[in-house]
Amino acid sequence: NAGVTQTPKFRILKIGQSMTLQCTQDMNHNYMYWYRQDPGMGLKLIYYSVGAGITDKGEVPNGYNVSRSTTEDFPLRLELAAPSQTSVYFCASSTPGTLNTGELFFGEGSRLTVL
Amino acid sequence: DQQVKQNSPSLSVQEGRISILNCDYTNSMFDYFLWYKKYPAEGPTFLISISSIKDKNEDGRFTVFLNKSAKHLSLHIVPSQPGDSAVYFCAASGSNFGNEKLTFGTGTRLTIIP
Repeated sequence: NAGVTQTPKFRILKIGQSMTLQCTQDMNHNYMYWYRQDPGMGLKLIYYSVGAGITDKGEVPNGYNVSRSTTEDFPLRLELAAPSQTSVYFCASSTPGTLNTGELFFGEGSRLTVL
Repeated sequence: DQQVKQNSPSLSVQEGRISILNCDYTNSMFDYFLWYKKYPAEGPTFLISISSIKDKNEDGRFTVFLNKSAKHLSLHIVPSQPGDSAVYFCAASGSNFGNEKLTFGTGTRLTIIP
């Protein structure tokens, strides 16, 4: 099993450009998440999904969009990139029904720089 | 509003000694707590967790203690090994929040000195 795979690992964007961060998992997990980590900060939840066709906002959703058409894939779309979106982005997945254990499986991260 | 706080950004410990990482939380609705470990250029990996019905959970060299009245938890690593050098994140969730609502602390960078 590959686990959670994110692409690309690195990307430089110009202000106003758009891009999509790809995330796919092969563990058949229902729940998927996108977090961002800024220097010296914890991980902040951007969007999450509890199953195909269902998405919801997290703590910092502004400037992002997501879709969940399949169980495996959960892409994150950045529209009109801004310097404030410079960050490391982590995709994660988990399985429900485990008494809220909250154990997440993370991808390796995607480092995005907006100039 | 930082609901999960790790007030020590960094910690250095001699190899073989005990490492103690601390975490405080403010939301009394949290009832499940986790520690994640992160190496550079990798995603965080789950380390150990504790439910609010317990005050201690042990897994090999790692023990997590929970003091609900003080809203404080700590991770003890003994003996510390060079491979333990990493950033450690404390996280919390609540049964009312669902699996999707993990709140993370800012992390503590642990350095084990050989």
